[in-house]
Parts: sequence; structure tokens; C-alpha cells
Amino acid sequence: EVQLVESGGGLVQPGTSLRLSCTASGFDFDDYAMHWVRQSPGKGLEWVSGISWNRGSEGYADSVKGRFTISRDSAKNSLYLQMNGLRAEDTAFYFCARRTLLGWFDSWGQGTLVAVSS
Amino acid sequence: QSVLTQPPSVSGAPGQRVTISCTGSTSNIGAGYDVHWYQQLPGTAPKLLVYHNTNRPSGVPDRFSGSKSGTSASLAIIGLQAEDEADYYCQSYDGSLSIVFGGGTKLTVL
Repeated sequence: EVQLVESGGGLVQPGTSLRLSCTASGFDFDDYAMHWVRQSPGKGLEWVSGISWNRGSEGYADSVKGRFTISRDSAKNSLYLQMNGLRAEDTAFYFCARRTLLGWFDSWGQGTLVAVSS
Repeated sequence: QSVLTQPPSVSGAPGQRVTISCTGSTSNIGAGYDVHWYQQLPGTAPKLLVYHNTNRPSGVPDRFSGSKSGTSASLAIIGLQAEDEADYYCQSYDGSLSIVFGGGTKLTVL
């Protein structure tokens, strides 16, 4: 069974940093691109960032470009999101998602909440 | 403001048919990029409902169907059931913006 488990969320002050993790199991992690999608409370889904299966390419939403960095570790079957310079508008549930070669997200984690507030 | 436009809400009585539209542009849906749909039940993560415009993953009832034409796509639900009450999101790719989602549609079963 495919499982994605996020961790690392919490309440932080504006301007600080946080690192999210997503541990994958039940599939060959190296075969899939992995992404982060966020959802502000009561709002819709917003794509944040993605990384290819071989770490050859990364992509970021304009809203986080230059502040967030995505990475992955095959040895640990893990996906990460380093978030720097956090802002109030970054407050959201952050979901880790597996993306198929043809473009859809076929597995999602349960999400981890990041709250940015002074 | 989402790149893909969905109605904020739709509703229907049990047993009825509802449709949810997803309107894009020539840089995303109209450019030939596929549309995928997700169902998000209250308090849970999104779940893949329709992929590659019209296909259903195993386990998704055939009451759900997707279509795509021009710069738009639609999700149809027939034989509405109380358990279908959820938020629904379309997703595609935009040549200039990468992965894009619709704003979401809240389905209420009356």
C-alpha cells in the first residue's frame, strides 16, 4: 500500500524557517516525481513545488520561488521542503503528493499544518 | 484568482445529476493538456477521482465521469448520494505557470 506521511509542521514566527519532510513507503520512490501542494484553511489547493524522479529538475510556484527549496533523498525514501522567510500567507496544510509520468497526483499524504504568526 | 475557473458551489438532491465545470484558456486546457479531478471529503486529503480527462482509478464508482472540450472540462456525477458531499478540484498544466488547480467546487447534497 502506498503511504506518504508528512511531518515538520508547526507554529512559527514570520521571517523564520521550517523544514517539512514526507516519508514514502509501499512503492519504488525513485520511479516517481514528487510534489508539495498546500491548502490555506478554508481555501483551495495550490501547487507549491515539484522535483523529478532523478532530481534532474525542480519547479516552484511564483509565490514561493527564492524562499522554498525542494529536495529528495532516495536512501531515506523521503521528500523535503525547506521553507525560509516564512510569511503569514504561507499558513496552510502542506500535502506531499506522488505525480505520475502523465501528470496526475495519484497518492497524497494526510498533510501537515504550517502556521505563520507573530 | 485561480487559472482554472470552477463554480464555487453546486447542489442536487439524492439521485439527481450534477455537473461541475472547469474553464481554462489556450495556455492550459485549450493547449491540449489533460485535466484531472480530485475529491476532498471534509477534513481529509484530496483523492484522485478522474485522470487523463475521462478515466477513473479502480474503486471510483462509474457514477463519476469526466469530459473535456476546447478550453473546458466537466465532471458529471449521476445518481447523487449523500457521501458525494465534498469539495471537487480540477487540475491541469499551464505552459507558463506549471501545475494549476481550479478554485474548487463545494457539492451539497440536499
